[in-house]
Amino acid sequence: GAGVSQSPRYKVAKRGQDVALRCDPISGHVSLFWYQQALGQGPEFLTYFQNEAQLDKSGLPSDRFFAERPEGSVSTLKIQRTQQEDSAVYLCASSPDRGRSTGELFFGEGSRLTVL
Amino acid sequence: RKEVEQDPGPFNVPEGATVAFNCTYSNSASQSFFWYRQDCRKEPKLLMSVYSSGNEDGRFTAQLNRASQYISLLIRDSKLSDSATYLCVVSLWTGQNFVFGPGTRLSVLP
Repeated sequence: GAGVSQSPRYKVAKRGQDVALRCDPISGHVSLFWYQQALGQGPEFLTYFQNEAQLDKSGLPSDRFFAERPEGSVSTLKIQRTQQEDSAVYLCASSPDRGRSTGELFFGEGSRLTVL
Repeated sequence: RKEVEQDPGPFNVPEGATVAFNCTYSNSASQSFFWYRQDCRKEPKLLMSVYSSGNEDGRFTAQLNRASQYISLLIRDSKLSDSATYLCVVSLWTGQNFVFGPGTRLSVLP
């Protein structure tokens, strides 16, 4: 389809495992965002890319979290040594180049991570 | 203090009612403002942008008060399908650093 695609949709990990979450943004969208949404809360900003450049990673909660977008399209959010507090829905969003953007973020359906 | 705060809710209203949600933001340099809607276990979707002069889209009216750093959303003639969580979103400038509020849940009852 033409929307933002995320995989896996659901991931169950044992505490201490590493996980990788993938985001395929809308073709041609320059900006890509990762958000973390805990149950009953609003999305919390994690990191932002413009093309392949990670311009803001101030929201990453610890050095266990790492994101990349090496070719300016697909992005991967990696969480090392998962903890129970990492359980959340991880949302990826993309938007067109800032100069043409209406400010609308197009979200994927999210990856629901449960850490046991 | 969170950057964006909203009415805690939930709001339970009958069909046909008018309901208003409030949102405040802390960063006076904020430039762009939006309301997003999120259905249960779904992704957020843009409902409407909020302009300085206020704007209306059908049954939905958004207002912005920059001096008070306050945003509102009014829904008239509520429908069952309006039941969702409404997220207030603020950006320093379009295209970067979108900050979401915690959301206000609305249930429209038959």
